[in-house]
Amino acid sequence: DTEVTQTPKHLVMGMTNKKSLKCEQHMGHRAMYWYKQKAKKPPELMFVYSYEKLSINESVPSRFSPECPNSSLLNLHLHALQPEDSALYLCASSQGRGSGVGTEAFFGQGTRLTVV
Amino acid sequence: AQKVTQAQTEISVVEKEDVTLDCVYETRDTTYYLFWYKQPPSGELVFLIRRNSFDEQNEISGRYSWNFQKSTSSFNFTITASQVVDSAVYFCALKLTEFGNQFYFGTGTSLTVIP
Repeated sequence: DTEVTQTPKHLVMGMTNKKSLKCEQHMGHRAMYWYKQKAKKPPELMFVYSYEKLSINESVPSRFSPECPNSSLLNLHLHALQPEDSALYLCASSQGRGSGVGTEAFFGQGTRLTVV
Repeated sequence: AQKVTQAQTEISVVEKEDVTLDCVYETRDTTYYLFWYKQPPSGELVFLIRRNSFDEQNEISGRYSWNFQKSTSSFNFTITASQVVDSAVYFCALKLTEFGNQFYFGTGTSLTVIP
């Protein structure tokens, strides 16, 4: 099973709202990622968690707050977003161990976020 | 610095034609990993293939084939006998370590297969 599940699939939120995006994988992967993708652009890395610890934060504004409650779950808490934050948010996971083994990341279908 | 270049922004082919997507990468590391991902309109990035820098063996899988050449820093992807379902955006990506590091994505090539 190579499935990464993201919920919700679509989200419309106002600039004063607080919402959360959720991501779940049951492949035993220990690295999990959040990416942001604007239309006709490649995915941009936001955060990487390795063994439930935040290992990379690509200078993302504090209105985005990641959380990794356990090895299977990854959340992205959203607060006071701006219209320019509207994008596809992709979660991914990879094994992250062993030289040359399991280095590919598996992606979820994403959450299409619209900030109004 | 790491960089992945996909010079072809958009390609259109007629069904059953062969098509090659180009990818050129830059890195000073001697150990790295290269990937191809497919992104259909639904949005999910689908993993297609991974190649390690120390494995230059090219591969054919059904209608897909990959040509990895370290001498020219290229990792090209060919679809033979294209089908409408192949229409998608294809991303080439580079990763430097096997753990916890980011994927450097190219800008993507949008492939349209015309019936």
